[in-house]
Amino acid sequence: TQLLEQSPQFLSIQEGENLTVYCNSSSVFSSLQWYRQEPGEGPVLLVTVVTGGEVKKLKRLTFQFGDARKDSSLHITAAQPGDTGLYLCAGAPAGGATNKLIFGTGTLLAVQP
Amino acid sequence: NAGVMQNPRHLVRRRGQEARLRCSPMKGHSHVYWYRQLPEEGLKFMVYLQKENIIDESGMPKERFSAEFPKEGPSILRIQQVVRGDSAAYFCASSPPGGQGTSKFFGPGTRLTVL
Repeated sequence: TQLLEQSPQFLSIQEGENLTVYCNSSSVFSSLQWYRQEPGEGPVLLVTVVTGGEVKKLKRLTFQFGDARKDSSLHITAAQPGDTGLYLCAGAPAGGATNKLIFGTGTLLAVQP
Repeated sequence: NAGVMQNPRHLVRRRGQEARLRCSPMKGHSHVYWYRQLPEEGLKFMVYLQKENIIDESGMPKERFSAEFPKEGPSILRIQQVVRGDSAAYFCASSPPGGQGTSKFFGPGTRLTVL
């Protein structure tokens, strides 16, 4: 069974602080996606990474895919209250016959003004 | 460009009734996926469809659940004889044709409550 463990599970920080969320697995993924989900809504895609070692930046968010394609991190610089939400990583298993995503356990972020 | 559309957003059913959830993928997307999010749990894959074909239904319960994606019209997730344990948020995602690196975009979900 492929699992994606996210840490921390919960994070409450002050506006302006930096934070990093981790997504780890013992399995290899051909691609990995990060989503943010707000209460009552569907996950909103933030980024897709496909190459081991790849780094992508989206304004104050930096995403990295591990060299071995087993892990990923999301770093947020100078967090804003608008960053509050549930962050989910999701991977497509390498060698899988289909395109299904395995979702991580989630990190619930609260940014206090 | 409209995103993934799901309806209804909220659905209430009594035990034993049928629930029909609809999903219209993004324009140009021919791949549809259904996921279920149970209370206090993460998103779990249910089924992957292309037009008129079920590609992977390994996450679907064997009984009472079925899915289709006809040549014309939205994808339908059908739950027969609903039970309280079916109460959950059901999300549809779509992607364009491509490999495993293609991005998947989710709809707003249908929240099913079984009384």
